[in-house]
Amino acid sequence: EVQLVETGGGLVQPGRSLKLSCVASGFTFNNYWMSWTRQAPGKGLEWVASITNSGGSTYYPDSVKGRFTISRDSAQNTLFLQMNSLRSEDTATYYCTRGGRRIFDYWGQGVMVTVSS
Amino acid sequence: DIVLTQSPALAVSLEQRATISCKTSQNVDNYGVSCLHWYQQKSGQKPKLLIYEGSNLASGIPARFSGSGSGTDFTLTIDPVEADDIATYYCQQSKDYPRTFGGGTKLELK
Repeated sequence: EVQLVETGGGLVQPGRSLKLSCVASGFTFNNYWMSWTRQAPGKGLEWVASITNSGGSTYYPDSVKGRFTISRDSAQNTLFLQMNSLRSEDTATYYCTRGGRRIFDYWGQGVMVTVSS
Repeated sequence: DIVLTQSPALAVSLEQRATISCKTSQNVDNYGVSCLHWYQQKSGQKPKLLIYEGSNLASGIPARFSGSGSGTDFTLTIDPVEADDIATYYCQQSKDYPRTFGGGTKLELK
């Protein structure tokens, strides 16, 4: 059974940093692209970042480019999202998702990030 | 960016057919494959993949769900609608970066 478990969310002040983690199990982690997708309270879905299965390439929308960094540790089957210079508009539930080259076929339960002073 | 447009809400009766539309600002077909996918999100839950590449049913999804369309016009059909299908439905494109989602269509009961 595919499982994606996110940790690291919480309340953070504007301008500060936060790092999310996602532990994956139930599939061969090295074979899949991985991504982060977020959802602001009461809003729709927004893709945040993707990383290739090798970790050699990463992709971001302009809204987070230069502030967020996606990475992966294949030895620990773990996906990361380093978020710097956080803004109030980054407040959202962040989902770890398998895929990103085409589809997002499995989603974690999500972790809440609140950016507020 | 490719913009995906969905109607905000759709009211339907149980056991009737629901048709949810997704229109894209650019052609999202690539070498004959539609790079358009559908997700279901129930209230308070994570999204779930329903349909990929326009018309392919994801694993474990019941056959009352179907997808159709090509180019810039796509449709998700639920027939017949069951009470468990009340949710918000999102389309998503993978033709280009950034990956984008539609705003979602909330399926409601009449």
